[in-house]
Amino acid sequence: EPEVTQTPSHQVTQMGQEVILRCVPISNHLYFYWYRQILGQKVEFLVSFYNNEISEKSEIFDDQFSVERPDGSNFTLKIRSTKLEDSAMYFCAIDGVKTTYNSPLHFGNGTRLTVT
Amino acid sequence: DAKTTQPPSMDCAEGRAANLPCNHSTISGNEYVYWYRQIHSQGPQYIIHGLKNNETNEMASLIITEDRKSSTLILPHATLRDTAVYYCIVRVTTQGGSEKLVFGKGMKLTVNP
Repeated sequence: EPEVTQTPSHQVTQMGQEVILRCVPISNHLYFYWYRQILGQKVEFLVSFYNNEISEKSEIFDDQFSVERPDGSNFTLKIRSTKLEDSAMYFCAIDGVKTTYNSPLHFGNGTRLTVT
Repeated sequence: DAKTTQPPSMDCAEGRAANLPCNHSTISGNEYVYWYRQIHSQGPQYIIHGLKNNETNEMASLIITEDRKSSTLILPHATLRDTAVYYCIVRVTTQGGSEKLVFGKGMKLTVNP
């Protein structure tokens, strides 16, 4: 099973500050995803990223959010100006096998973002 | 919205088989059924997926009815470590071709000693 490392494991920030969450897959993959889970709620899709551009985004993923792969390996989620309601677990996910259709997504263990 | 329905919770005795049901009556012909689980606040863990045939791997078995409107995840010998929230998900193909998983509330499985 491919490994996905997310850093940091826990991020505390003040409202209005910018945060960058990082995801490092163990090898190259085609699709990258960000999901989030507010405490006690469902896991929600944020965005999918393919070939260095956004493939799809949810209505949650507004102008405050951005994603990129700055060096071809790290995959980042940036929240430009955090709000209290951005407090959540953020999960990065990758497809399992880069050339197989319907390969399952594999998730990292998440970054817990706390906005104060 | 999620295209699946699951009971909110289920208990199982340690060492016994756990049969987790899922309804997906609106599933389309080319949509796969995926099962994930989440332990505490860890990332969702992939278990198994299938289209129409029954599937088995080292973790579980997936039984899909012939009409594909429901499925059952089977954990053959449940252990305490299998206590988790289990998600039955119908994979949605986006216009961009990516694999979008729409999570529902899932089902809390509690394995009792």
